[in-house]
Amino acid sequence: DAKTTQPTSMDCAEGRAANLPCNHSTISGNEYVYWYRQIHSQGPQYIIHGLKNNETNEMASLIITEDRKSSTLILPHATLRDTAVYYCIAGPGGGTSYGKLTFGQGTILTVHP
Amino acid sequence: DAGVIQSPRHEVTEMGQEVTLRCKPISGHNSLFWYRQTMMRGLELLIYFNNNVPIDDSGMPEDRFSAKMPNASFSTLKIQPSEPRDSAVYFCASSLPSRSRAFFGQGTRLTVV
Repeated sequence: DAKTTQPTSMDCAEGRAANLPCNHSTISGNEYVYWYRQIHSQGPQYIIHGLKNNETNEMASLIITEDRKSSTLILPHATLRDTAVYYCIAGPGGGTSYGKLTFGQGTILTVHP
Repeated sequence: DAGVIQSPRHEVTEMGQEVTLRCKPISGHNSLFWYRQTMMRGLELLIYFNNNVPIDDSGMPEDRFSAKMPNASFSTLKIQPSEPRDSAVYFCASSLPSRSRAFFGQGTRLTVV
């Protein structure tokens, strides 16, 4: 799996958009970008994933650069409950690959009132 | 959908004792994963199963660790004998290819004294 690099921590004001960057310069053509988050004392929670195109779901948007070497997770209106560690993971898709995840250290996002 | 269910949520045991962690995957999911999380090493994949068959156990730290999946609705992770360095949070996850993501349980916090 390609290595990913994320900032150690970020802050965001409640109600504002949180933009979490991730570098994955060695990502290969068949590797997806996955985002999970872990709220304190809970198991990781899937947020979103994508291959080439930008993606949006009810939780967030994922913007992947054209060269696929970096991506940004956007939480459009952050709330206090979004305070968590956010993991960006590059890895293959399909079959058992969806659960075979290589977690890095992630970004600690703190949302302030 | 009850989610991935792990038991017990907390376990405290003495060094040298046998410990058994249990996991019930989401009904219908055909892949199951065991992860361990520590402050030093983060989240690590220990072993995973596909259709009840162990596929890759290269993440299992030592022969003291073993995992089984006797049927599609139950898996165990056993540590015998346990050591203080096994203290960690152990997560179980399950996935189904059509869902494109992994679903994690709430974890078992193991303390070996």
